[in-house]
Amino acid sequence: DTEVTQTPKHLVMGMTNKKSLKCEQHMGHRAMYWYKQKAKKPPELMFVYSYEKLSINESVPSRFSPECPNSSLLNLHLHALQPEDSALYLCASSRSGGRDEKLFFGSGTQLSVL
Amino acid sequence: DAKTTQPTSMDCAEGRAANLPCNHSTISGNEYVYWYRQIHSQGPQYIIHGLKNNETNEMASLIITEDRKSSTLILPHATLRDTAVYYCIVRPVITSGTYKYIFGTGTRLKVLA
Repeated sequence: DTEVTQTPKHLVMGMTNKKSLKCEQHMGHRAMYWYKQKAKKPPELMFVYSYEKLSINESVPSRFSPECPNSSLLNLHLHALQPEDSALYLCASSRSGGRDEKLFFGSGTQLSVL
Repeated sequence: DAKTTQPTSMDCAEGRAANLPCNHSTISGNEYVYWYRQIHSQGPQYIIHGLKNNETNEMASLIITEDRKSSTLILPHATLRDTAVYYCIVRPVITSGTYKYIFGTGTRLKVLA
């Protein structure tokens, strides 16, 4: 199994809603990542978890709250988002070391904030 | 973090080799060069990576200059399905086990029939 699964594929939410994005991998990877991608722009790194601990936070606003319940799961909790937060949210995972270290991406969650 | 510079867009005729350049003049000795591509809002797909030596796999070849300040991704026989945005990434190690993949602006490759 070389897949990273993201749910939901599409999400529409109001500015007062609370929602969560989910990401799952069963490749035994120990690093997991959240990226945000606006239309026609490259993916922007948001968070990195390594061995279930948050190791990188790229100065992301607190209305985005990541969680890594175990080595296979990564969540992104959303609260009080703004319309400019509408984007494709990508999850990725990697082995966290070794010559063959590389990112595996999910297909993303397309988020619209109304 | 080492910065990458790529041309904004390129065209390539179907069946010909596509050569995509990347400049990474501030790369450090322990930083790998990675290439990913993204087809129309799907998740980016890994293509190839290398440190110093040239690399080849079933998808592409990676040529890294001796001074490591630039590299070229080669798709030997481009097809219409290779139309995508291609990203060159220089990957530093932050701490042991933590890696930071920062995407540059990428090259939009269009393969023409």
